Amino acid sequence: ELKVEQNPLFLSMQEGKNYTIYCNYSTTSDRLYWYRQDPGKSLESLFVLLSNGAVKQEGRLMASLDTKARLSTLHITAAVHDLSATYFCAVDFSGSARQLTFGSGTQLTVLP
Amino acid sequence: GAVVSQHPSRVICKSGTSVKIECRSLDFQATTMFWYRQFPKKSLMLMATSNEGSKATYEQGVEKDKFLINHASLTLSTLTVTSAHPEDSSFYICSARGDRGSGYEQYFGPGTRLTVT
Repeated sequence: ELKVEQNPLFLSMQEGKNYTIYCNYSTTSDRLYWYRQDPGKSLESLFVLLSNGAVKQEGRLMASLDTKARLSTLHITAAVHDLSATYFCAVDFSGSARQLTFGSGTQLTVLP
Repeated sequence: GAVVSQHPSRVICKSGTSVKIECRSLDFQATTMFWYRQFPKKSLMLMATSNEGSKATYEQGVEKDKFLINHASLTLSTLTVTSAHPEDSSFYICSARGDRGSGYEQYFGPGTRLTVT
């Protein structure tokens, strides 16, 4: 079964703190995507990770991919309130169709 | 980056009527588009894969006669919810698949909130 598991599902953190969101997936893939969703809005692409060991950073967010461990992490550094949102990882398990299987999302709240 | 639009952004309809949602790739051609459904505070659920010029591929449990998908051109896919019922109320999001150079990234539309009364 193709599964993508994120944890935690809910995360409250203080401004200025660091934290990591984890995304585990069930079978081989070398394509993983991270998205952000604000309430009532659609998905905003954050990172595209296409190979083992890939690391990408944008501002206070850094994403990495370990295909051998079937694990991706989204690390938040010195959180600010504007980062409050729901974060999804999605994995491409497919062949040519390139379908995505989404994790259940992590609802992040950054408290002042 | 690539832009995908959806229309309408919000629609309210009465039970028994049909509603059409359009998904357009504005600055690139998309041979493959996807339709998702999202319930409040839940993840995205893939409904179907729409391929230009051919029939859509529906996920298990999605009624193809209820959710009609047409992908008549490389920039437009439509989802028609037929004989809508209140349980069809949801947030519908489309995406268009980019090319190999983009890592086959999916670009998401802004979503359509459907309310069936």
